[in-house]
Amino acid sequence: QITLKESGPTLVKPTQTLTLTCTFSGFSLSTSGVGVGWIRQPPGKALEWLGIIYWDNDKRYSPSLNSRLTITKDTSKDQVVLMMTNMDPVDTATYFCAHSNRRSFDWLDAFDIWGQGTMVTVSS
Amino acid sequence: DIQMTQSPSSLSASVGDSVTITCRASQFIATYLNWYQQTPGRAPRLLIYGASSLQRGVPSRFSGSGSGTDFTLTISSLQPEDFATYHCQQSYTTVLTFGGGTKVDIK
Repeated sequence: QITLKESGPTLVKPTQTLTLTCTFSGFSLSTSGVGVGWIRQPPGKALEWLGIIYWDNDKRYSPSLNSRLTITKDTSKDQVVLMMTNMDPVDTATYFCAHSNRRSFDWLDAFDIWGQGTMVTVSS
Repeated sequence: DIQMTQSPSSLSASVGDSVTITCRASQFIATYLNWYQQTPGRAPRLLIYGASSLQRGVPSRFSGSGSGTDFTLTISSLQPEDFATYHCQQSYTTVLTFGGGTKVDIK
C-alpha cells in the first residue's frame, strides 16, 4: 500500500524559506518510472503544479516558480524535500505531494496516490 | 506553458443526472490528459488517465473522451458521492498544468 505524508511548518514569515518533507512508503523512488510531485492549492482556488522529481533524479519545475524551488530526494529515507525561497502571503496554500509511475500509465505523468496535504500560512 | 481551461466553472445537478465537463488545452496534447475528483478538505483522486482510461477502482459511470485540444468528462448517473470539484491536468509536456476546476453541486 502506497502512502505519502507531508510535514513542515504551518506558519512562515514573508521572505523566509519554506521546507516541506514528503515521507512515503510502499514504493521506492529508485524504481524506473516512479516520480513524486508537489502540487499546491490556495484556499478556494485551483490546483497548481509546482514540480516533480523522478527515479533518475531528473527534476522539473513550474517555470513561474523555477527560481524559487528546489526538490531533492533521499532514497535511503524514502523522503522528498521541497524548498521554496522568499515566501509571500500569496503562497498561502495547502501543499500536497503525490506519487506517479509512468510505467503504470502508458508513460504519462498521472498522480494516483496523494498525501493528505499540509496547510502553510505566510504571515508576519 | 500549456493552459488548461475548464467549463463550466460550476454546475448544479440532481442525483441521477448525466453531467459533462469540458477541458480545453491551449495547444495540442494528444491524449495526455488526466481527470481528478476532489471533495472538500480532501486530496484529489485520480479518475481517468490518458483521456479515456479508467483508473482502478473508479466506478464505470465515469468516462472520459477527447484528443488533441478538447476533452470531456462524463458522469452518466450522478450519485450523492459525486458532488465534488473536478480537475483536468495535462502531461504532454514536462511542465504539467491543471485546469481551473469545475464544481458540481446539488441542485
